[in-house]
Amino acid sequence: GAGVSQSPSNKVTEKGKDVELRCDPISGHTALYWYRQSLGQGLEFLIYFQGNSAPDKSGLPSDRFSAERTGGSVSTLTIQRTQQEDSAVYLCASPLGDTQYFGPGTRLTVL
Amino acid sequence: AQKVTQAQTEISVVEKEDVTLDCVYETRDTTYYLFWYKQPPSGELVFLIRRNSFDEQNEISGRYSWNFQKSTSSFNFTITASQVVDSAVYFCALSEEGTSGSRLTFGEGTQLTVNP
Repeated sequence: GAGVSQSPSNKVTEKGKDVELRCDPISGHTALYWYRQSLGQGLEFLIYFQGNSAPDKSGLPSDRFSAERTGGSVSTLTIQRTQQEDSAVYLCASPLGDTQYFGPGTRLTVL
Repeated sequence: AQKVTQAQTEISVVEKEDVTLDCVYETRDTTYYLFWYKQPPSGELVFLIRRNSFDEQNEISGRYSWNFQKSTSSFNFTITASQVVDSAVYFCALSEEGTSGSRLTFGEGTQLTVNP
């Protein structure tokens, strides 16, 4: 597609449930990044994909977080056993050259 | 380790005033990129500008201008004749090439409010 898309745009879940967030990057882009924007933590890096592999997962906050990418395209960020501190906006970015272009984000609220 | 500091948490101006948003960065690399992004109330991060560490020329784009000074590790952003539509959170960011591709380190952001 022309830009980065993410789904769902909003997700409300109960503490302890698992959630999946999806990112559809700009067509043909091999790299993909996930970031999180939360109150008090600002914008922070989560994980970087090059193709289907993730050379850098260092930003994932706990082992409840995982991500995968298939076919060098769509990526899914999974949060297991969600906690209230997971509430944030999760942003996906697709680089063109040295510039990252962001999707609209998924706002996750954990009750 | 890289770090970006935006000391101004909030700025409020009246329309048509000029406003400068400050950004100071720390990095050990000699090759890096600096960015400004705008986040309007709709929430999407909008790319404004990219600067590489070897290009210290100031840039002007319409009412926007950027002042990059390596000597002070600063990359400040000025909006001339501000408008209400400029109200947003502005983020400064830094990237370095490495095993993480070009992952971004963001400042805390500056909330700009332009009042009519």
